[in-house]
Amino acid sequence: DAGITQSPRHKVTETGTPVTLRCHQTENHRYMYWYRQDPGHGLRLIHYSYGVKDTDKGEVSDGYSVSRSKTEDFLLTLESATSSQTSVYFCAISGWRRPSSYNEQFFGPGTRLTVL
Amino acid sequence: AQSVTQLGSHVSVSEGALVLLRCNYSSSVPPYLFWYVQYPNQGLQLLLKYTSAATLVKGINGFEAEFKKSETSFHLTKPSAHMSDAAEYFCAAPERNAGGTSYGKLTFGQGTILTVHP
Repeated sequence: DAGITQSPRHKVTETGTPVTLRCHQTENHRYMYWYRQDPGHGLRLIHYSYGVKDTDKGEVSDGYSVSRSKTEDFLLTLESATSSQTSVYFCAISGWRRPSSYNEQFFGPGTRLTVL
Repeated sequence: AQSVTQLGSHVSVSEGALVLLRCNYSSSVPPYLFWYVQYPNQGLQLLLKYTSAATLVKGINGFEAEFKKSETSFHLTKPSAHMSDAAEYFCAAPERNAGGTSYGKLTFGQGTILTVHP
C-alpha cells in the first residue's frame, strides 16, 4: 500500500469554525489531490498540487483553501465551516510524469467531517 | 461534459452469480482507464487499469474488464460473485487538457454500489 495518512480520521465541528485536514505521504510523489465524496456525486476534486507551493482549484473549490510547503504534506483548510461541507474527504497522490503516461492515483483512508 | 458514465448506481446479485458493472467513457478521453473499489469505511483501491497494452485486463480478486473502443465501454465483470465483493466501484479516466497538462487528474464516474446476497 502507498504510504498515505490522513489526520484526523474523524472530526465534528460547529458552523463557522476553521478546520484543517492533513494529508501526509511517504512516497515522494509530486502530485497530490483533495476530493470530497458525497452520496450520488462520486468523488469531486477540490484542489490539487503539482509541486511544492504549486496548487490549483478543482471542480468544487469554493470555501476551501490548500497549502503545500513540503513534498510530503498537503493541507486542506475550511476557513469557516458550513453544514454543506459535511462530507468524507480523501487525499490522493500520483506519480504522473508526462502527458503520454497513465496516471493511477493512490488514496488515503479518508477523513469523515461533520459540521453541526 | 461528463467523460465517464456508470450505468446503474446500485447492482444486486446473488452469491455465485455473474457480476457486470457498466462504464462508458467519452471518446475524447486519453486511452487509459481505471476501476477502483471502495470497501466500507475505507479509501479507494485500484482494481485494474487499461493502458493500451491489451484490451482484456485482469485485476485483483478475479475481476476483469474489456476495453471496447467501438462501444466506448470498459465494463467490469467477475464470473462468480462472493460476499466479500460487496463494495462501491468507480470507473475513472484521465482528464484531457489542451497541451497535455492534466497534472494526473482523474474524472470519476458516480459509482456503483454492489450488493451480494447469500
